[in-house]
Amino acid sequence: QKEVEQNSGPLSVPEGAIASLNCTYSDRGSQSFFWYRQYSGKSPELIMFIYSNGDKEDGRFTAQLNKASQYVSLLIRDSQPSDSATYLCAVKERAGTALIFGKGTTLSVSS
Amino acid sequence: GAGVSQTPSNKVTEKGKYVELRCDPISGHTALYWYRQSLGQGPEFLIYFQGTGAADDSGLPNDRFFAVRPEGSVSTLKIQRTERGDSAVYLCASSSQGGQGTEAFFGQGTRLTVV
Repeated sequence: QKEVEQNSGPLSVPEGAIASLNCTYSDRGSQSFFWYRQYSGKSPELIMFIYSNGDKEDGRFTAQLNKASQYVSLLIRDSQPSDSATYLCAVKERAGTALIFGKGTTLSVSS
Repeated sequence: GAGVSQTPSNKVTEKGKYVELRCDPISGHTALYWYRQSLGQGPEFLIYFQGTGAADDSGLPNDRFFAVRPEGSVSTLKIQRTERGDSAVYLCASSSQGGQGTEAFFGQGTRLTVV
């Protein structure tokens, strides 16, 4: 049973702070890792993906991957109230396999 | 169409009835996923199609659930003898099969309510 674990939160941070979201996965063979954002009542939308160990930066977002620890994280710098949403971690073993989601972490950014 | 289209957007049905939910993926996308999402939970994987065939149906909860994709494009999720516990938002996503990092695009979902 492939599992993706996230702390459900809520994670509360003040505007301008760094928000850190974490995810662990059970399948050591997993190769691709995705972070989706989901606003209340809306569908998930992709923020970033990562498949190599280390950091990947895109604007205010940084994804970090440690395959040895089976751990992936998302950092959001200069958090804004508009970042308030549920962040979903998703894992794919390899091309041609299903994309498995965690339960999501709710982030609240206060102004 | 430009995005993934799901119909209907809302469906209310009586316990025990049969329902069909439709997903029209982005043109050219060979991979298609069905998920179920309950309030406060992440998307729960149901089934994954690669082309016309179900590459992974391990998430279907029981034999009341079935999905088809006969021509490798539109997919239909079928639920027989619906139960109140089937109430959820059913999400469909599609992606091209471009290897690592291939993004899955979601439709707006069908909200199913079983009364």
